[in-house]
Amino acid sequence: KQEVTQIPAALSVPEGENLVLNCSFTDSAIYNLQWFRQDPGKGLTSLLLIQSSQREQTSGRLNASLDKSSGRSTLYIAASQPGDSATYLCAVRTSGGSNYKLTFGKGTLLTVNP
Amino acid sequence: DAGVIQSPRHEVTEMGQEVTLRCKPISGHDYLFWYRQTMMRGLELLIYFNNNVPIDDSGMPEDRFSAKMPNASFSTLKIQPSEPRDSAVYFCASSRQGATGELFFGEGSRLTVL
Repeated sequence: KQEVTQIPAALSVPEGENLVLNCSFTDSAIYNLQWFRQDPGKGLTSLLLIQSSQREQTSGRLNASLDKSSGRSTLYIAASQPGDSATYLCAVRTSGGSNYKLTFGKGTLLTVNP
Repeated sequence: DAGVIQSPRHEVTEMGQEVTLRCKPISGHDYLFWYRQTMMRGLELLIYFNNNVPIDDSGMPEDRFSAKMPNASFSTLKIQPSEPRDSAVYFCASSRQGATGELFFGEGSRLTVL
């Protein structure tokens, strides 16, 4: 059974700092991995999708990497801003027949202080 | 595109009552997912559909829960009878291209069962 772990559970940083959020998964036979952002009381917003054949994806100040063999992904946020404050979740889609389940981590609550 | 649309956004009901949550996926998306989010358990997949057909309902908690997708633009999740432990935020999400597709979430329906 796929399990996804995110460390740390919460992170507080001053504005302008570069930071890394971590995601690990137990079953490396994945199809892809997706990073989401969730603001309080809102739905999940997709940030980056990395296919299993890719090593990284970039969007603006965000960069996500994937090391499938070690079961790890990182989300790098450059020059953090207060508007980046949110919960960040990673989700892994495990391959296997026609089953396309996404397994989510519990998320990292990020607070960027002005 | 309007994105995934869910209704109602908030529902407060009494134990034993029937609850119906609604979802309109993004046009052209052929996969639809229902998730439940709680503080304790995080995001859990309840059921997903492909081309309006239920594919995996192993996450549905018990017979009190049922989901339908009568056409490509509408799905419902019904709880009958509702119980206090059903209180959670229920999310609908859609994607295309199955396992490779990026997942898009609605804003969620917050259910409180008294």
